[in-house]
Amino acid sequence: GAVVSQHPSRVICKSGTSVKIECRSLDFQATTMFWYRQFPKQSLMLMATSNEGSKATYEQGVEKDKFLINHASLTLSTLTVTSAHPEDSSFYICSAPRFSGNTIYFGEGSWLTVV
Amino acid sequence: GQNIDQPTEMTATEGAIVQINCTYQTSGFNGLFWYQQHAGEAPTFLSYNVLDGLEEKGRFSSFLSRSKGYSYLLLKELQMKDSASYLCAVRGSYNTDKLIFGTGTRLQVFP
Repeated sequence: GAVVSQHPSRVICKSGTSVKIECRSLDFQATTMFWYRQFPKQSLMLMATSNEGSKATYEQGVEKDKFLINHASLTLSTLTVTSAHPEDSSFYICSAPRFSGNTIYFGEGSWLTVV
Repeated sequence: GQNIDQPTEMTATEGAIVQINCTYQTSGFNGLFWYQQHAGEAPTFLSYNVLDGLEEKGRFSSFLSRSKGYSYLLLKELQMKDSASYLCAVRGSYNTDKLIFGTGTRLQVFP
């Protein structure tokens, strides 16, 4: 079964609104989680590293004020897309390392459609 | 810079063997991962290599040569359900688990 869970799996929101995506590690603690974005027929692009108890680390070109990341506990990280626009429509996936990082699991992913 | 290359598309026949290559140039190296991703779904873990050589796991095997910056994923006894994208990803540092992904290879298996 899944060891990393994401919610919601699909969400549609209106342009200008905000949407929150949750990523949970189910039976292990994850001090670090990662958020990726994937456009159709493209590979995964790392957006940011979520750190429990401290600020997230964003990759170059990712707007930290637009993509808010909060790692409130050892099993939960959230990604909030603020003031969403149609170009933010994408597949967002989180990952968390387990067993000393030799196995890195992905959540089920969240499809965001901004209309 | 960071660069991970894979062929964009491959086709193969059911029951055959296919090898998907991955070459990488990264500023650091602490392991290479292979993932399978079906359309519209999240990636699923296939294999992990950190030392040179071949890792075998059922129908799937993965090879790594660190000196050449090269890996391949070998799929044997292909099945129709193996039609998917295969992603090569490198962990570039010892103190982070973030992965840098290649472009992905879309494999189509025909009967």
